[in-house]
Amino acid sequence: QKEVEQNSGPLSVPEGAIASLNCTYSDRGSQSFFWYRQYSGKSPELIMSIYSNGDKEDGRFTAQLNKASQYVSLLIRDSQPSDSATYLCAVNVPNFGNEKLTFGTGTRLTIIP
Amino acid sequence: DAGITQSPRHKVTETGTPVTLRCHQTENHRYMYWYRQDPGHGLRLIHYSYGVKDTDKGEVSDGYSVSRSKTEDFLLTLESATSSQTSVYFCAIRREGETQYFGPGTRLLVL
Repeated sequence: QKEVEQNSGPLSVPEGAIASLNCTYSDRGSQSFFWYRQYSGKSPELIMSIYSNGDKEDGRFTAQLNKASQYVSLLIRDSQPSDSATYLCAVNVPNFGNEKLTFGTGTRLTIIP
Repeated sequence: DAGITQSPRHKVTETGTPVTLRCHQTENHRYMYWYRQDPGHGLRLIHYSYGVKDTDKGEVSDGYSVSRSKTEDFLLTLESATSSQTSVYFCAIRREGETQYFGPGTRLLVL
């Protein structure tokens, strides 16, 4: 079992709709969770972080965390063509104070105009 | 912009030659990381550093070495490049109290 799993997609969503991206993780000791966006040929860019159960909203983005189910999701409301990218889920694996992130393989999202 | 530069940005080399990639930061962060990104595998940690001369291995460290003699520079060396090391290499820094931010990447092709 991979430590961090994502549906690789591609996920196609009409412009203006809600895009839902999901991620599961295996280490119950994980404490911090992140979503990165990566445009083709570019580096990953942090868009959301979440540390406690529940929802965290930032503009059109909402991150959801359920530690009991070991599940993290990212919702993008009012999807725009500029949201077309690969979204990477990352989980902080505790390591004696040295932060290490484990990444999923990413979900490719396409917003259809 | 996390104040990270990587050099070179693109490199083509031949099997068996040594290659060194450089990561330079301007913000004096303690933690620096090297990742490789390959289709189907995502980002995988090669090595990381938690201070000058303090480094540790990641999950895919075989065939790679690193050095950090100054806070601002973290070097990744492929002692004898192989075709399996063709990849995109990203450097990252960790801001205190935050998480990791990535440099622009280096595309390496080993022929």
